[in-house]
Amino acid sequence: EIVMTQSPATPSVSPGERATLSCRASQSVSSNLAWYQQKPGQAPRLLIYGASTRATGIPARFSGSGSGTEFTLTISSLQSEDFAVYYCQQYNNWPQTFGQGTKVEIK
Amino acid sequence: EVQLVESGGDLVQPGGSLRLSCAASGFTFTTSAMSWVRQTPGKGLEWVSAISGSGGSTYYADTVKGRFTISRDNSKNTLYLHMNSLRAEDTAVYYCAKWGTAGWYNSWGQGTLVTVSS
Repeated sequence: EIVMTQSPATPSVSPGERATLSCRASQSVSSNLAWYQQKPGQAPRLLIYGASTRATGIPARFSGSGSGTEFTLTISSLQSEDFAVYYCQQYNNWPQTFGQGTKVEIK
Repeated sequence: EVQLVESGGDLVQPGGSLRLSCAASGFTFTTSAMSWVRQTPGKGLEWVSAISGSGGSTYYADTVKGRFTISRDNSKNTLYLHMNSLRAEDTAVYYCAKWGTAGWYNSWGQGTLVTVSS
């Protein structure tokens, strides 16, 4: 099973600042990586798939990069609605696996 | 608009059984692979099971293999998860989720809570 490790665990970021979230896979997943946002009491929402393709309706301030084992989600200028938990998911191998999540908090 | 509505979550004793349902609308259900994904505070998101659009192929996490069965009724646009021999560690919110072109999930239901406890 591929282990997905996210860092940092709980970054504190001020509104308007850039946030950089990392996701590392225990073995290569090629570009078969997705990012999700989850707010309290809600289901996850797809942000990025294929490591760098924004899902329908996702603002341009969200961008994804990386391939192989190292991936990054960047939020260029944090808005109040972006404070949430973010998960990465690999779908290159069965079983699909998720990272433990990064909770972006208001500084 | 894609809608996925789960139901069937409940409090059940260890060793018991439960069937979850997910009613789908707003897309062509018969050609869409679907999954169940669960979430616990301690373990985060965990993929549980997946099924192809036709229902001919199914996949399971090792933690549920032999105890859970995924199925679908394409005439009713409904996905199911039959859960047997439930354990305390199966306690979670269960989401049904629609596959994108590959293995990512572009739509999720609101979730249904399963609690396994005596």
